[in-house]
Amino acid sequence: DTAVSQTPKYLVTQMGNDKSIKCEQNLGHDTMYWYKQDSKKFLKIMFSYNNKELIINETVPNRFSPKSPDKAHLNLHINSLELGDSAVYFCASRGRGMNTEAFFGQGTRLTVV
Amino acid sequence: AQKITQTQPGMFVQEKEAVTLDCTYDTSDPSYGLFWYKQPSSGEMIFLIYQGSYDQQNATEGRYSLNFQKARKSANLVISASQLGDSAMYFCAMREVPSGGSYIPTFGRGTSLIVHP
Repeated sequence: DTAVSQTPKYLVTQMGNDKSIKCEQNLGHDTMYWYKQDSKKFLKIMFSYNNKELIINETVPNRFSPKSPDKAHLNLHINSLELGDSAVYFCASRGRGMNTEAFFGQGTRLTVV
Repeated sequence: AQKITQTQPGMFVQEKEAVTLDCTYDTSDPSYGLFWYKQPSSGEMIFLIYQGSYDQQNATEGRYSLNFQKARKSANLVISASQLGDSAMYFCAMREVPSGGSYIPTFGRGTSLIVHP
């Protein structure tokens, strides 16, 4: 049973389109994250969502918006896609406690053409 | 400012030898946690090992151990008896608490490890 699952795994779309990536975790965790991994493998935090509290990395364009229908889901919506949005997007979740690690989904490779 | 620094973009090691991957960090918080993750070519992120700032002993998990030097703010990963399957990107991460009060893992830029037969 997959702990953190993302769909789709691959997404190819044209510039200007709007797309969503879904994320679900079955670990009962309170906190979920979205990370962007660029072509140089750098992982940058985009959003952190904990008990309806959203923390946004201020460098993330407002074309990106997280949506959490419930504690187990944190979806990522992207409007007006640009070429520079091409990257691998990871969803992760984390339980309570200072020493708990983050569990990652398998990643979604987004290619904007 | 960079919170986590991994100075080795790439490392090579012979199979069955040990290798050390460097990680230094910057924080003024007395309570923090350090993590190492492995990312093989298939892309998934695999948790390897954790070290808390108050832990008295260096963390170990099988062939992985963490050389934690608090005064020097370093948390180097040591992989003993390297295997071909250890070839991957390795990321050091720190749990930090921004002003919002939620722990957010911040990652270094990673080290690519290649194990030669």
